[in-house]
Amino acid sequence: QVQLVESGGGVVQPGRSLRLSCAASGFTFSNNGMHWVRQAPGKGLEWVAVIWYDGGQKYYADSVKGRFTISRDNSNNMLYLQMNSLRDEDTAVYYCARIYGTRPDYWGQGTLVTVSS
Amino acid sequence: DIQMTQSPSSLSASVGDTVTITCQASQDISNYLNWFQQKPGKAPKLLIYDASNLQPGVPSRFSGSGSGTDFTFTINSLQPEDFATYYCQQYDHLPALTFGGGTKVEIK
Repeated sequence: QVQLVESGGGVVQPGRSLRLSCAASGFTFSNNGMHWVRQAPGKGLEWVAVIWYDGGQKYYADSVKGRFTISRDNSNNMLYLQMNSLRDEDTAVYYCARIYGTRPDYWGQGTLVTVSS
Repeated sequence: DIQMTQSPSSLSASVGDTVTITCQASQDISNYLNWFQQKPGKAPKLLIYDASNLQPGVPSRFSGSGSGTDFTFTINSLQPEDFATYYCQQYDHLPALTFGGGTKVEIK
């Protein structure tokens, strides 16, 4: 069965960096694009970034453009989100989600990032 | 950017009720709309894709309709496990996703 497991969250000071990982299993990872979506505490869902199945295309929300980098390692079934210059407003649960067709059909359980001094 | 206006933001209902949630897009998105359910502390779960198609494994009491700018999500015969927050999400302007603000369905 499809499984996505995020890791790498934690407490970090403003301006510092953090790298999130998403381990995929139960499907052919290299066939699917992947999203990162986040949710601030008590708030709604916000799309962060997407990467094509082969890593050839990457797109970002304006709120993270220039600070976050999405990448993937298809040989190890891993998705990453490198987050630099973190701000208070980046505090959120970060989810990875598989793209099937055009829809994000499976999501991980999320990893919490807290940006605080 | 496309804006998604979801209403109501919350509602109270009883087991067995029919619940309807609407989502309005700021411009025509054809049928490029999905609906998700999210329970506290859990990941969103895809229920409806392409406005009206039931995701495999999702009970048939959930349904969706609409096209263009106006969409409706319905739960028939609300069950105890359906109390959750529901989100619409458009993908007309890929690759970005845009979500509605969410509707919290609470027990009356």
